[in-house]
Amino acid sequence: DAEITQSPRHKITETGRQVTLACHQTWNHNNMFWYRQDLGHGLRLIHYSYGVHDTNKGEVSDGYSVSRSNTEDLPLTLESAASSQTSVYFCASSVGQKAFFGQGTRLTVV
Amino acid sequence: DAKTTQPPSMDCAEGRAANLPCNHSTISGNEYVYWYRQIHSQGPQYIIHGLKNNETNEMASLIITEDRKSSTLILPHATLRDTAVYYCIVRVTDSWGKFQFGAGTQVVVTP
Repeated sequence: DAEITQSPRHKITETGRQVTLACHQTWNHNNMFWYRQDLGHGLRLIHYSYGVHDTNKGEVSDGYSVSRSNTEDLPLTLESAASSQTSVYFCASSVGQKAFFGQGTRLTVV
Repeated sequence: DAKTTQPPSMDCAEGRAANLPCNHSTISGNEYVYWYRQIHSQGPQYIIHGLKNNETNEMASLIITEDRKSSTLILPHATLRDTAVYYCIVRVTDSWGKFQFGAGTQVVVTP
């Protein structure tokens, strides 16, 4: 079955390190998104992409970057991890009216 | 996209219908109403969406008022596995999948 997978599911990193979270979908969806979820803030959009080589900033993009070199993958990079980026990260892809979410990556920055 | 208002929490007895309200008084004519849910520690899951007609699928029913300023998600026979946070979202169809999530309603289904 087609699916969207995130890796790793859990990660602990140190402040200042570069971290990349992977997102892979097998539906061939053009649209892909990264959200973060924190207590008291709900799900907030970080970056999104409408297709290969297209990337756009969401509402909380500072400190994050994405690249889209193929349809299946949208990796999220934290250039220099900060404690404020400790969160649960969700990747999603969409077609038409529906968005499909991955199981999330819990990132802890110490 | 229009904002929505949902109660922060509600309880429901197992086997009974759960009726989840959502107010979206500033909804525009080209905005759809979507419902997603998030079971603890999992990614949000699509439930249903509609424009102005009532909709039903294998998971739930969506009732939208005639003036479209409010809607109700109905889970016909709630089970313990329906315990989750339910999000009501309105968005224009050309938003290319960008969804703005509010705080949602925490639904607890009890035996």
